Amino acid sequence: QQQVKQSPQSLIVQKGGISIINCAYENTAFDYFPWYQQFPGKGPALLIAIRPDVSEKKEGRFTISFNKSAKQFSLHIMDSQPGDSATYFCAASSAGGTSYGKLTFGQGTILTVHP
Amino acid sequence: KAGVTQTPRYLIKTRGQQVTLSCSPISGHRSVSWYQQTPGQGLQFLFEYFSETQRNKGNFPGRFSGRQFSNSRSEMNVSTLELGDSALYLCASSLSGREKLFFGSGTQLSVL
Repeated sequence: QQQVKQSPQSLIVQKGGISIINCAYENTAFDYFPWYQQFPGKGPALLIAIRPDVSEKKEGRFTISFNKSAKQFSLHIMDSQPGDSATYFCAASSAGGTSYGKLTFGQGTILTVHP
Repeated sequence: KAGVTQTPRYLIKTRGQQVTLSCSPISGHRSVSWYQQTPGQGLQFLFEYFSETQRNKGNFPGRFSGRQFSNSRSEMNVSTLELGDSALYLCASSLSGREKLFFGSGTQLSVL
């Protein structure tokens, strides 16, 4: 019940295209859903995050769409650029004392944007 | 504002040895979390400290331990190293430990 399932494992997009990565969860106690971007040799960097009380959040070219009833959320990268080529992780955490510092991560999506 | 700093960046150890990794959080952040990242298991939560107290712990054996100092800096220790402990160990800091976790670049540990 603690899992977050992420798809696809890898994604190839042409420059200027839209990249879409999907995640699904089962634990209804999850109430915070961040996305992280990781480049080789670096730690994950927080991109954007959403709470279940909104269905969409946009920051620049990055948008999170959230479907509470389906227990799914997705990351859309508009106008994808070669510099966006990285590994993307969705994650989730729940309220309560046992959740401090604990993010449950998806398995990651390797995004390649071709020029 | 300086980011999360982890030292050392790389470590090579042999089985049976022990290792200590260090993490300096973002100034003002009192929560420090540790994660293990491997190609097979992905990112897994180890433990979290806040104001020198461990508030949360993941499903790792007792060989993995940590502590936090009064200046919020944290150390993680792994005793009796096993080959399977080879991984990237990441530290993350945040204000509350609930959201906006900022990660360091990690310590790449290789156990031979």
